[in-house]
Amino acid sequence: GAVVSQHPSRVICKSGTSVKIECRSLDFQATTMFWYRQFPKQSLMLMATSNEGSKATYEQGVEKDKFLINHASLTLSTLTVTSAHPEDSSFYICSARGTSGLTDTQYFGPGTRLTVL
Amino acid sequence: AQSVTQLGSHVSVSEGALVLLRCNYSSSVPPYLFWYVQYPNQGLQLLLKYTSAATLVKGINGFEAEFKKSETSFHLTKPSAHMSDAAEYFCAVGPERLAFGKGNQVVVIP
Repeated sequence: GAVVSQHPSRVICKSGTSVKIECRSLDFQATTMFWYRQFPKQSLMLMATSNEGSKATYEQGVEKDKFLINHASLTLSTLTVTSAHPEDSSFYICSARGTSGLTDTQYFGPGTRLTVL
Repeated sequence: AQSVTQLGSHVSVSEGALVLLRCNYSSSVPPYLFWYVQYPNQGLQLLLKYTSAATLVKGINGFEAEFKKSETSFHLTKPSAHMSDAAEYFCAVGPERLAFGKGNQVVVIP
């Protein structure tokens, strides 16, 4: 139980294009989803927290117009990297926290490797 | 604010030997503590968690951790290392927004 998927697992795009990453909770409803960024050999950095049906809360230093987050349902959140540049290349990981019985733990997706050329 | 300290970015352990990864936390509220494992190019898998119940927590793959409030610690142990334990291990403190430690890269020596 408590499985989170991400799609795509890997994406390569040209500089200036936009990329959308999906995060789904497969067997539970996620009231809150989180988006992290991880650079090579480093820890996870929280980018934003999204609650279903409301605007995401971004961490200090994260550009909300560049990293658009939508949490339209209890099982789906999306991260869109707009006008991507090479410095946006990274490993993006989402996590989901559920409702009753699953509220104290974040369950992580497998991650999306973004490479911007 | 909450934070976690993990010392020793790289940890080498012989196959069959004890695995010990140290985690010290700082929290202004009763903490929820987690250990996650990450294999290359994958997401994080929950190993175990402490959420104010028993202080000795058993997790998957033979790992366990003990919450010690007086020492603000939540060290992870496994009695006998296996080659499949080679991975990155992260300690995190919650309960809301998780704060992660820098991680320990565990190398198992045959």
